[in-house]
Amino acid sequence: DAMVIQNPRYQVTQFGKPVTLSCSQTLNHNVMYWYQQKSSQAPKLLFHYYDKDFNNEADTPDNFQSRRPNTSFCFLDIRSPGLGDAAMYLCATSRRTGGSETQYFGPGTRLLVL
Amino acid sequence: AQSVSQHNHHVILSEAASLELGCNYSYGGTVNLFWYVQYPGQHLQLLLKYFSGDPLVKGIKGFEAEFIKSKFSFNLRKPSVQWSDTAEYFCAVKKQTGANNLFFGTGTRLTVIP
Repeated sequence: DAMVIQNPRYQVTQFGKPVTLSCSQTLNHNVMYWYQQKSSQAPKLLFHYYDKDFNNEADTPDNFQSRRPNTSFCFLDIRSPGLGDAAMYLCATSRRTGGSETQYFGPGTRLLVL
Repeated sequence: AQSVSQHNHHVILSEAASLELGCNYSYGGTVNLFWYVQYPGQHLQLLLKYFSGDPLVKGIKGFEAEFIKSKFSFNLRKPSVQWSDTAEYFCAVKKQTGANNLFFGTGTRLTVIP
C-alpha cells in the first residue's frame, strides 16, 4: 500500500546531541511537510518542501533543519535538542496541482530529550 | 491571523448516541476544510474534506460534516457512535490560495462508553 513511513517511531536523545528523524513516502507526492505536535496541542507546521524548494515557517527555530535528497525522502535535523523539543514529529505529504490538496500523515516519531 | 477553534476538548458519549463536534475558523477567504481522526496509538487519518460544491460532505465510517460559510463553521456529525469511534478528532483549514499552511484546531477527544 502507498504510504508515509517514519523511522524511528520512538527516539531518545541527550540534551544538545544532534538527532535526525526520517520520513519516506511511496505516494510520489511532490510536497513533504514536517509538523511538531506537543501534548494536548495542535500540530504545528515547521517547514515543507515543494519539490526541491524549501519553505521555512517564520517562527521555526534555527535549531531545526530539513533535507530532501530526493522525492521519496525527507529528513528533520535537530542540531542541539533542548528539553522543550520533546514532542511528536509528524511527516505529511501531498500532491500539489492547484489550489486544493490533501495532506496524508505518517505515524510520527516521538522524541524524548534527556 | 488564521485560527481554528474546537470548543469541545473532551466529549464522553454512550454507544448509539449522536455526535456533533464543533469547528470554527477565522479566515474570510476561500478555504479547504478537513477533519482528521487519530485513533489511540495510530497516525492522523483523513475522515473527510470539503473543497467546493455541496456543503454537506460525507466521509468514512458514517461521519459527515456541514460547511456553513456564514458561520465560518465545519461541524462534524455522526448519528450513532460506536465504541470504536473513541479517538482524537482534529479540524484543519487551509487557504485555497496563497500560503499552503494547514492550520489545525487543538483537537477534541471523544470517549465512547460501551
